[in-house]
Formats: sequence, structure tokens, C-alpha cells
Amino acid sequence: EVQLVESGGGLVQPGRSLRLSCAVSGFTFDDYAMHWVRQAPGKGLEWVSGISWNSDTTVYADSVKGRFTISRDNAKSSLYLQMSSLTAADTALYYCAKGGEFLRDWVDPWGQGTLVTVSS
Amino acid sequence: DIQMTQSPSSVSASVGDRVTITCRASQDITSWVAWYQQKPGKAPKLLISAASTLRSGVPLRFSGSGSGTDFTLTISSLQPEDFATYFCQQADSFPLTFGGGTKVEIK
Repeated sequence: EVQLVESGGGLVQPGRSLRLSCAVSGFTFDDYAMHWVRQAPGKGLEWVSGISWNSDTTVYADSVKGRFTISRDNAKSSLYLQMSSLTAADTALYYCAKGGEFLRDWVDPWGQGTLVTVSS
Repeated sequence: DIQMTQSPSSVSASVGDRVTITCRASQDITSWVAWYQQKPGKAPKLLISAASTLRSGVPLRFSGSGSGTDFTLTISSLQPEDFATYFCQQADSFPLTFGGGTKVEIK
């Protein structure tokens, strides 16, 4: 069974940093690109970032470029999102999702998400 | 960035109804569209990829069509478990973008 389990969310003050993790099982992690997608409370879906299977290529939404860094550890079947200079606009449920063989693809399945709340 | 304009934003329908949701891309994306279903408190689930390919395990009452800029998700006979929010997504280019969502509600 494919499982993606996010962790690391929580309440953080504006301007601070947070690191999200996603532990993956049930498929060959290093065969696939991976993505982070977020959903603000009561809102739609916003793609945040993606990383190729071998970490050679990373891509970001303009809204997080320069502040967020995606990475992965294939030996640990884990995906990460280092977030800095957080603002209230970053408050959302952050989902980790499996991509395809190539970075530009659909995303499925998704984890259950980890909630990030940016507030003083 | 490619904008995905989804309509309607909500629809009220009864069990057994045919429901159609549309998504318009701001530029030609050939068939690089996917459709997702999200139920309250749950993660989205991929229903259709490449505009019309039904994913494994997805009921046959779901279908997708379209190419270029105009795409459609159709539920041929709405079932109680289909009441949810549906999103389209383009994978033609980065940033990946989603439509605003269509909430299918019980009439």
C-alpha cells in the first residue's frame, strides 16, 4: 500500500522558518518525482514545488521562490520542504504528493497533509 | 502562467443526474489535464489523467474529454459518494496550476 505521511507542521511566527517532512512507503521512491501542494483553509489547491527523482531539477511557484527549498533523501524515502521568511499567506495544509517518472506530470497519491499556521 | 478557469464553482444535483464540469486553459495545453476529487477533510484523489484516461479503480460513470483549451469532466449518473469538490490541473508547463474547484452539492 502506498503511504505518504507528512510531519513538521505547526504554529510559527511570521518571519520564522519551518521544515516539513514526508515519509514515503509502498513504491520505489527514487523512480518518481515528488511535489508539495498546499491548500489554504477553505480554499483551492496551489502547487508549491516539485523535485525530480534524482534531485537534479527543482521547480517552485513564484509565491515561494527564494524562500522555500525542496529536497529529498532517496536512501530514506523522504521528501522535505524547508520554508523560511514565512508570512500569513503561507498558512495552509501542505500535502506531499507522488509525481510521475517525469517532473511535469499529475500528482497522485497524496498524503493527508500537515497544517502550517503562520501567526503571531 | 497558465490559468485554469473552472465552471461552475458549485452545482446542486440529485442522485442519478448527469453532471458536467468544464475547465478552460488560458493557452493550448493539448491533453495535459487531470481531474481530482476531494471530499471534506480528505486529500484529493486523481480521477482522470491526460484529459480522458480513467485511473484504475475509478467508476466508469466518470469520464473526461477535450483537448487544446477546453476540457470537461462528466459524471453520467451521480451517486451519493460523488458529492465532493472537483479540481482540474494542467501539467503542460510550470508552474502546475489548478482550477478553482467545483463543489457538487446535494439538491
